[in-house]
Amino acid sequence: AQSVTQLDSQVPVFEEAPVELRCNYSSSVSVYLFWYVQYPNQGLQLLLKYLSGSTLVKGINGFEAEFNKSQTSFHLRKPSVHISDTAEYFCAVSDQGLRDMRFGAGTRLTVKP
Amino acid sequence: KAGVTQTPRYLIKTRGQQVTLSCSPISGHRSVSWYQQTPGQGLQFLFEYFSETQRNKGNFPGRFSGRQFSNSRSEMNVSTLELGDSALYLCASSLDGQGYGYTFGSGTRLTVV
Repeated sequence: AQSVTQLDSQVPVFEEAPVELRCNYSSSVSVYLFWYVQYPNQGLQLLLKYLSGSTLVKGINGFEAEFNKSQTSFHLRKPSVHISDTAEYFCAVSDQGLRDMRFGAGTRLTVKP
Repeated sequence: KAGVTQTPRYLIKTRGQQVTLSCSPISGHRSVSWYQQTPGQGLQFLFEYFSETQRNKGNFPGRFSGRQFSNSRSEMNVSTLELGDSALYLCASSLDGQGYGYTFGSGTRLTVV
């Protein structure tokens, strides 16, 4: 089965600074990769996904991620963060049948003024 | 288009009782997955249903069960509740194998006292 490791549990950053949230995965089969965001007391919202094709994926709210097959990574980036980006971010991996999506432990992004 | 609806939003139960949570997926989605989210364990996969059949199951005891109806609505049941079952239970629906990712509901917050 596939698994996901998010390398940072917490990332504090100042407003308007760039940010990178790191994610590594392992799987013996071809996978789909996702980033989700969770605001307090809410469900998860899809930010972006990699299915195939271009390794640079753009998502909502100015986020993007790059799929690196050789390093089995899918890091999330944003060039300039806002206070409203403060939330928990989850990286997820799924087999291509979407029958078993596994999530990382999450990274809490805190944007400070 | 309506999103994934989970009911109830909040629930308080006593140890030893049982509980049933409900999830209505997005219209047309036939796959429904359930996750337990706790601060200590993160997001853990419970089970996935497709066309009324459990297709995949995580590592939870038999006290956790579920079912899916012909209209794709799903319920999960937890019997003989323990304090450690206190968690946010999230339901997610997807178009099977289509790579759109999951759409999550807002969750049911279960507190066992």
